[in-house]
Amino acid sequence: EAQVTQNPRYLITVTGKKLTVTCSQNMNHEYMSWYRQDPGLGLRQIYYSMNVEVTDKGDVPEGYKVSRKEKRNFPLILESPSPNQTSLYFCASSSVTGYSNQPQHFGDGTRLSIL
Amino acid sequence: SQQGEEDPQALSIQEGENATMNCSYKTSINNLQWYRQNSGRGLVHLILIRSNEREKHSGRLRVTLDTSKKSSSLLITASRAADTASYFCATPGASRLTFGEGTQLTVNP
Repeated sequence: EAQVTQNPRYLITVTGKKLTVTCSQNMNHEYMSWYRQDPGLGLRQIYYSMNVEVTDKGDVPEGYKVSRKEKRNFPLILESPSPNQTSLYFCASSSVTGYSNQPQHFGDGTRLSIL
Repeated sequence: SQQGEEDPQALSIQEGENATMNCSYKTSINNLQWYRQNSGRGLVHLILIRSNEREKHSGRLRVTLDTSKKSSSLLITASRAADTASYFCATPGASRLTFGEGTQLTVNP
């Protein structure tokens, strides 16, 4: 089954404790992206990747890091989480030739609470 | 600011009724997509309409696109309780899709 898998689904942690949210897709997609969803602000892109070893900033990259060492994986790293990063996070993927004109496939989301 | 803006923000209807949601956008596009998000879940792609199309159907969904007015509408016919969800329009940008804030649809049994 074609899917984007995120882990963990839920996480409560404390300020400053490094965390990683994993994202994996099994569709051989080149394009992967991270979004955060906040009430009243909609979905905002954090980082994206067009292919292995190619990453770039989205609209709200501050406080986040990503890596793309393998095609299927695109982890989101919060080196020193702060309460303003409490949010619902989504990973998405699509073929690189069609990231704008093909459907994006989304994971089920990771709800992060930073205390 | 968001490229796409949905209207209304919330819509509550009875099962069997039709639901119409609208999306307005600001810049020229080559396509527009609609997604559904069930509570606590990820977004699911519903339909894509290209700029040279005026109307597209998929099951109980009907999407229209008016590029002169920079607007699109999503019609769900004969709604069901399972259609309760948030619905988003999305437009392509340089590196991503840009989503509106969504319409929260509630279908009452």
